[in-house]
Amino acid sequence: IAGITQAPTSQILAAGRRMTLRCTQDMRHNAMYWYRQDLGLGLRLIHYSNTAGTTGKGEVPDGYSVSRANTDDFPLTLASAVPSQTSVYFCASSPSGRNEQFFGPGTRLTVL
Amino acid sequence: GQNIDQPTEMTATEGAIVQINCTYQTSGFNGLFWYQQHAGEAPTFLSYNVLDGLEEKGRFSSFLSRSKGYSYLLLKELQMKDSASYLCAVRDRDYQLIWGAGTKLIIKP
Repeated sequence: IAGITQAPTSQILAAGRRMTLRCTQDMRHNAMYWYRQDLGLGLRLIHYSNTAGTTGKGEVPDGYSVSRANTDDFPLTLASAVPSQTSVYFCASSPSGRNEQFFGPGTRLTVL
Repeated sequence: GQNIDQPTEMTATEGAIVQINCTYQTSGFNGLFWYQQHAGEAPTFLSYNVLDGLEEKGRFSSFLSRSKGYSYLLLKELQMKDSASYLCAVRDRDYQLIWGAGTKLIIKP
């Protein structure tokens, strides 16, 4: 692995189902982030983690949860998906909160 | 509230110069970033400004005026591969990035 990987690449999900988006980085970055990107809107921060073991809420956290058990992994879980969660989800990381962020390739999620 | 404004779309000619503007109103300021995003791909870092003035990096330059809440990205000698969206983002007092909606740049031959 080099950089950040996300899985799955895309997913179609029935409303009400539970879904976990995976994100793994091998750069030993302390900070990790989850964003959603919708047409006509800027990237919006869902949750973040400044270091393993800590997480924080971003601008649009409702309906999503995260965990950061170790440095490399930062999964995002939708407990009960709704159609408004249809979006492209990007995971990002940075050495610290004071550096530029590096983005994964994204997950395109459709909730029907 | 916090706000980042960029033009939605711009068109320019191959070989020419284009300037993409960004104005911001945020709670605090700890730097401004420009990212490039090709369609269907992830954003990639282009430049960072924290002090007033011009930062040059090859064909790309970025300017910042903190007193005016204003930045621009200047792209010279445009190439077809520069067709992409350009995202402006400001790091606020909590060190969180606030993102503009992006400017879609279309390059014509």
